[in-house]
Amino acid sequence: DAGVIQSPRHEVTEMGQEVTLRCKPISGHNSLFWYRQTMMRGLELLIYFNNNVPIDDSGMPEDRFSAKMPNASFSTLKIQPSEPRDSAVYFCASSFGGGAGDTQYFGPGTRLTVL
Amino acid sequence: GENVEQHPSTLSVQEGDSAVIKCTYSDSASNYFPWYKQELGKGPQLIIDIRSNVGEKKDQRIAVTLNKTAKHFSLHITETQPEDSAVYFCAPSGYSTLTFGKGTMLLVSP
Repeated sequence: DAGVIQSPRHEVTEMGQEVTLRCKPISGHNSLFWYRQTMMRGLELLIYFNNNVPIDDSGMPEDRFSAKMPNASFSTLKIQPSEPRDSAVYFCASSFGGGAGDTQYFGPGTRLTVL
Repeated sequence: GENVEQHPSTLSVQEGDSAVIKCTYSDSASNYFPWYKQELGKGPQLIIDIRSNVGEKKDQRIAVTLNKTAKHFSLHITETQPEDSAVYFCAPSGYSTLTFGKGTMLLVSP
């Protein structure tokens, strides 16, 4: 299996621009998680989908962030408009089951820099 | 919500030594206790986990011990090797989501 696939791996954009991050979960997994990692705040869960339905979006920082999962094999995280404080590494993870104890498999991440 | 603390934040050992990282949590409902390893430029990867009905689990050179009464669990790595150098995260959970600690940077010197 190819594992969780994320694109792009690196993104540099200017403040105010729209940014779209993409994720392809492991085939057969029915839960998908978006995380953000920064030095100051560590790894934070942004949103969690189960069977393509958003279950918990309490970690989404503000309305500028939105996430979709149109089908079982694709998800996007969009930031519009982007700000310098959004600079971070964004990880997508997937699991089979989605319950506590179901191993989450992480992608390689997208390093976002907002100038 | 869950409050998670990891200690130490950095740990330097000589190759062959043992390393121990401790994680304390606040939510008594937590029942799943994993440890993740993150190498530079990569996503976190599960290395070992334990559930609340077990006190200890071992997998070759790594082990996890759990003290549910005191709300802490620890990662033990024996006979450390340079490739063990990475950042290690605990992520206790009682529900569908994980709450990650701030991480421990382990450096193993040859």
